[in-house]
Amino acid sequence: DAEITQSPRHKITETGRQVTLACHQTWNHNNMFWYRQDLGHGLRLIHYSYGVQDTNKGEVSDGYSVSRSNTEDLPLTLESAASSQTSVYFCASKEGLADNYEQYFGPGTRLTVT
Amino acid sequence: AQSVTQLDSHVSVSEGTPVLLRCNYSSSYSPSLFWYVQHPNKGLQLLLKYTSAATLVKGINGFEAEFKKSETSFHLTKPSAHMSDAAEYFCVVSDLNSGYALNFGKGTSLLVTP
Repeated sequence: DAEITQSPRHKITETGRQVTLACHQTWNHNNMFWYRQDLGHGLRLIHYSYGVQDTNKGEVSDGYSVSRSNTEDLPLTLESAASSQTSVYFCASKEGLADNYEQYFGPGTRLTVT
Repeated sequence: AQSVTQLDSHVSVSEGTPVLLRCNYSSSYSPSLFWYVQHPNKGLQLLLKYTSAATLVKGINGFEAEFKKSETSFHLTKPSAHMSDAAEYFCVVSDLNSGYALNFGKGTSLLVTP
């Protein structure tokens, strides 16, 4: 079955280190998204991509970057991790942009920055 | 910008009694609205969606929601709560200005007591 996976599922890192969170989907969806989830905030959009070589900033993009070199993967990089980036990160994908297409979420990555 | 406000951060009901989770939306155009559920330490699951068709939307597990334009509301209901309904519920609106990414409410935690 097609799916969306994230790795690692849990990560502890130190302040100032570079961290990359992986997201891989096997649906061949063009549209992919990264969100972070914090208590009392719901999920907030970090970056999104319409397809290969396309990336766009979301609501809370400062300190994060993404790259899209193929359809299946959208890795999220924290250039210099900060304690404020301790969060649960969700990747998502959808086939088309219209709202009748469902957005599918990965299982999440819990990141702790010490 | 499109946004949603969940009016209750916590709701507690007894098993077998009705559930009402309230959500108001703000949108400059006719919105697409969703309810997602997140069980403890789990990913996100789509409960139901409204995309300008029937205003009463039926979802999974006996949940339904009614889109009321005059009240800018999209409340989630269920006639009879089950213990397994205990979870975090998110009201969500899509934002065409960011690739139809999802704008999440802050969530309502539903507690079901025996």
